[in-house]
Amino acid sequence: AQSVTQLGSHVSVSEGALVLLRCNYSSSVPPYLFWYVQYPNQGLQLLLKYTSAATLVKGINGFEAEFKKSETSFHLTKPSAHMSDAAEYFCAVSDVSGNQFYFGTGTSLTVIP
Amino acid sequence: DADVTQTPRNRITKTGKRIMLECSQTKGHDRMYWYRQDPGLGLRLIYYSFDVKDINKGEISDGYSVSRQAQAKFSLSLESAIPNQTALYFCATSQGEYEQYFGPGTRLTVT
Repeated sequence: AQSVTQLGSHVSVSEGALVLLRCNYSSSVPPYLFWYVQYPNQGLQLLLKYTSAATLVKGINGFEAEFKKSETSFHLTKPSAHMSDAAEYFCAVSDVSGNQFYFGTGTSLTVIP
Repeated sequence: DADVTQTPRNRITKTGKRIMLECSQTKGHDRMYWYRQDPGLGLRLIYYSFDVKDINKGEISDGYSVSRQAQAKFSLSLESAIPNQTALYFCATSQGEYEQYFGPGTRLTVT
């Protein structure tokens, strides 16, 4: 089975600073990779996805992620944090068959004014 | 209107009671999923269904059952609720191996 590791359950950044949320996956075959965001009292919303096209993926709200096969990583970044970015972020991977999705344990992002 | 709806949004029930959580979708997707979310544990898959006649257990199916009444409806049942089933439950849909679309969640408390 796949596994997804998100380093850092809580990340704090100052408003305007770089956001970096880390995600590593376990797979010998490049899977499909996703980042989701969860705002308080809401469901998960897709930020971006990697489906074996360009390795640098751009998503909504200024976020982007880079797929690095050699490092089995798919870290999420945003150049300048905004207060509205405060949320829980989940990295996920689907297996090659597409039968199941595996989620990381989440990273809570706090943005300090 | 939301593409994936869940009812109820909040529920408090007592130990031993049977409870059903319902999910409906208007996206026309074949695949539907039930997850539970616990603090620090992320989302864990309970059951998934690829069509009305296809039901599969996920990572943590014990104590749960599901019913796929139609392509658009997927219900999760707790036959005899216990306190450690207190969690946030999410329904999701997908078309193939691409992204999933999530409902707003049901917050279940078992006392």
